[in-house]
Amino acid sequence: SQQGEEDPQALSIQEGENATMNCSYKTSINNLQWYRQNSGRGLVHLILIRSNEREKHSGRLRVTLDTSKKSSSLLITASRAADTASYFCAPSKGGSQGNLIFGKGTKLSVKP
Amino acid sequence: DVKVTQSSRYLVKRTGEKVFLECVQDMDHENMFWYRQDPGLGLRLIYFSYDVKMKEKGDIPEGYSVSREKKERFSLILESASTNQTSMYLCASSPTPGQGAGIQYFGAGTRLSVL
Repeated sequence: SQQGEEDPQALSIQEGENATMNCSYKTSINNLQWYRQNSGRGLVHLILIRSNEREKHSGRLRVTLDTSKKSSSLLITASRAADTASYFCAPSKGGSQGNLIFGKGTKLSVKP
Repeated sequence: DVKVTQSSRYLVKRTGEKVFLECVQDMDHENMFWYRQDPGLGLRLIYFSYDVKMKEKGDIPEGYSVSREKKERFSLILESASTNQTSMYLCASSPTPGQGAGIQYFGAGTRLSVL
C-alpha cells in the first residue's frame, strides 16, 4: 500500500542528542512528506522530498530518501525538549486529489 | 499563512445525537479531508472532497456523511452518534497537487466524546 510505516514506534533521548526516525513504504512515489504533531493538536507539515532527490535539509532537519529501498529517514540534530512530538511520514503518488495515507507515527520524547 | 479552523476544540454529545463538525479554510484550496485519530491506529481517512459538492469515501466512512456546499467549508456529520465515534477528528485542506505537491494543512482538531 502507499502507507508509510514509521520506525521506531517510540524514541526517548536526551536534549542535545540527535534523533533518527525511519519510514518504509511499498509502492512507487512522487514525493514523501514528513509531518509533526504536538500532543492533542493537528499535524504540521515539516518537509517534502521529491522522488528524484536524495537528501534535503531544513534548519535542524535532514531528510534522506532511498527509492531503491523504498525508505526515508528524518534526522533531527541537537534535539530540544520542544521537539517532543509524534512524527509521521506520508508517501505520495501525486495525482489530482493529493490523498496521503499516514502511518502510526514515531513518538519522540526529548528529556531536558 | 494557511489557516484551517475547526469550530470546536472539545465537544461532548450523547448517544443518538446528530453531530456537526465544521471546518473552514482560508486559502482557496480545492481539496479538503476529514480524518479520525485513535491511539494505536494512527490517522484514518473518513471522507475527502476535491471540489464543491463533490465527495469521496475514505477508509472508514460508515456512520459519517459530509457536506461541501462552499469551497472553503467542509462539514462532517455524525448522523446518530455512537460511543465508538469518540475520537479526535482532524480536518485538512490542500491545493491541487500540481500546485502544492499535495501538502496538507491541518486544523487544531476536535476531541469528541460521545456518552
